[in-house]
Amino acid sequence: QKEVEQDPGPLSVPEGAIVSLNCTYSNSAFQYFMWYRQYSRKGPELLMYTYSSGNKEDGRFTAQVDKSSKYISLFIRDSQPSDSATYLCAMSVRGSTLGRLYFGRGTQLTVWP
Amino acid sequence: EAGVTQFPSHSVIEKGQTVTLRCDPISGHDNLYWYRRVMGKEIKFLLHFVKESKQDESGMPNNRFLAERTGGTYSTLKVQPAELEDSGVYFCASSQGGQLNTEAFFGQGTRLTVV
Repeated sequence: QKEVEQDPGPLSVPEGAIVSLNCTYSNSAFQYFMWYRQYSRKGPELLMYTYSSGNKEDGRFTAQVDKSSKYISLFIRDSQPSDSATYLCAMSVRGSTLGRLYFGRGTQLTVWP
Repeated sequence: EAGVTQFPSHSVIEKGQTVTLRCDPISGHDNLYWYRRVMGKEIKFLLHFVKESKQDESGMPNNRFLAERTGGTYSTLKVQPAELEDSGVYFCASSQGGQLNTEAFFGQGTRLTVV
């Protein structure tokens, strides 16, 4: 079983739609949860970061973590064509192996005008 | 301020040859990480430097891979001899914090193709 599972999509939505992306994980030691956005031929860039369970909102983006279900989500409201990219979830364990990230496969999102 | 830069952006080599990838982290970042993405798979951790020391190299696939970070600045990742399964995109990332990877900045990656 992979430590982080993420549906690769592709996901295609019209402009203005609400997008829901999610990941599940198996390692209960994960404490830090991140969402990265990656445009074609570029490196991943950090979009959202959450510690432990709870919600975090930043503009049109909301990240949710449910540690009891080992499930994390990223919601994008009022999606724009510029949001078209691959979205990667990533997680890390507090302490032990400092700095190591565990990634999902990424979900490819296309927002069409 | 310059971000994480990687050289070359793309490399095509024959099986059995040697390739060296280079990463220049953000200035002042003590932490430097190498990751790899094989086609169709997730990005996977290779190793982590703190300054010039290897903090964690548990993700290195085998002894054909050698990473160095002399002087605690730029890093190189050498693959010798390269095999077909080494093809993929190699990412370098750097971060400032010592405890948590709250924000690692990634380079654009080096796309390695072994033929």
